[in-house]
Amino acid sequence: DTGVSQDPRHKITKRGQNVTFRCDPISEHNRLYWYRQTLGQGPEFLTYFQNEAQLEKSRLLSDRFSAERPKGSFSTLEIQRTEQGDSAMYLCATTVKGDGELFFGEGSRLTVL
Amino acid sequence: AQSVSQHNHHVILSEAASLELGCNYSYGGTVNLFWYVQYPGQHLQLLLKYFSGDPLVKGIKGFEAEFIKSKFSFNLRKPSVQWSDTAEYFCAVNAWQAGTALIFGKGTTLSVSS
Repeated sequence: DTGVSQDPRHKITKRGQNVTFRCDPISEHNRLYWYRQTLGQGPEFLTYFQNEAQLEKSRLLSDRFSAERPKGSFSTLEIQRTEQGDSAMYLCATTVKGDGELFFGEGSRLTVL
Repeated sequence: AQSVSQHNHHVILSEAASLELGCNYSYGGTVNLFWYVQYPGQHLQLLLKYFSGDPLVKGIKGFEAEFIKSKFSFNLRKPSVQWSDTAEYFCAVNAWQAGTALIFGKGTTLSVSS
């Protein structure tokens, strides 16, 4: 048990639908990261929160993607008007330190039909 | 911008063989370096890390890595692999003290036959 919880673990949706993923961090971890991983690739950075502030966003995060962390605890990642290219594993990672050591959740796998 | 290259996509070894996985990074400043491992069906977990000091770092399960600054490399080694080491291995880097996100390589799949 990593302590980082992600929900749902697997989501199958039709193209054009909206989906939302949730991440619950390890208690007291104030830094939260979203990554995307596709087959044969390493995790690709999407966005980063420190407490409730979204401090960094990757160019991969198109206008259809939005992330929030309203109270500095759990975070949500929403994808609007999903496309087949959005099919991937969406990973959440948290930490209390800024040195880069991240604790990952099990991920939420998105399949867009 | 930072980038990470892992030379081997898939490595196949027999038990007791020695392992070395290559990792090179591109970044002009001081960096933190990491190796993460993902066992089948499990989440990513930290294997070892380098921040500063002794360039030879030891991690869990007998793994070690050596930071060679002049070569921008951080290769992972293990003298004798076990079947349970079958996993995907990711090298990662971030800029030292910048609090920036980890940048990962594409990963190396290690298959160990018993």
